[in-house]
Amino acid sequence: EVQLVESGGALVQPGGSLRLSCEASGSSFNTYNMNWLRHAPGKGLEWVSYISPSSSTIYYAESVKGRFTISRDNAKNSLYLQMDSLRDEDTAIYYCARDGGYGDFVFWYFALWGRGTLVTVSS
Amino acid sequence: VLTQSPGALSLSPGERATLSCRASQSVSGNYFAWYQQKPGQAPRLLIYGVSSRATGIPDRFSGSGSGTDFTLTITSLAPEDFAVYFCQQYGGSPLTFGGGTKVEI
Repeated sequence: EVQLVESGGALVQPGGSLRLSCEASGSSFNTYNMNWLRHAPGKGLEWVSYISPSSSTIYYAESVKGRFTISRDNAKNSLYLQMDSLRDEDTAIYYCARDGGYGDFVFWYFALWGRGTLVTVSS
Repeated sequence: VLTQSPGALSLSPGERATLSCRASQSVSGNYFAWYQQKPGQAPRLLIYGVSSRATGIPDRFSGSGSGTDFTLTITSLAPEDFAVYFCQQYGGSPLTFGGGTKVEI
């Protein structure tokens, strides 16, 4: 069974940086459309970023554009989120999730999720 | 904006659960999904395309609706169904999620 496992969450000061990782088991990671989402305390889930299987297409939510960078290494079955200039409002559990579609087909619902990693931005 | 109601639902095993999700504007196409999440676990896709069950989801889970009103129905609650459920629309940008409904014993 394919699984996604996030890591890298931590307590960081405002203005700081953090790099999250998501490792996928299985052999088809290079066909997955991948996303990062987050769930802040007391708020609804928020989609953060998307990357296509070949990394040729990338999207960001307006709230993180210019501060966060998504990337992937298909040889390592891994997805990353580099988070810079962190703010208090970035505090959340961060999830990686696979889109319901494969390859060129992106459906924008999330068929497989990890358990999440907690990022806390506080001084 | 997606508004889920009720915020919490107290039911017993074997009972029927009806969860509602209302959108502030009409959702384009059939681009609506439901997820289940238990404490400390990954969210799990239940329903996509308004009414299509995801792989491995029991048929006691069903989705329905159109426009601005969508419903997740669990016909007979099993002990493992007590969890938080949240909805998502993917017919428009940005993608949005509801705040969740907790189904508790």
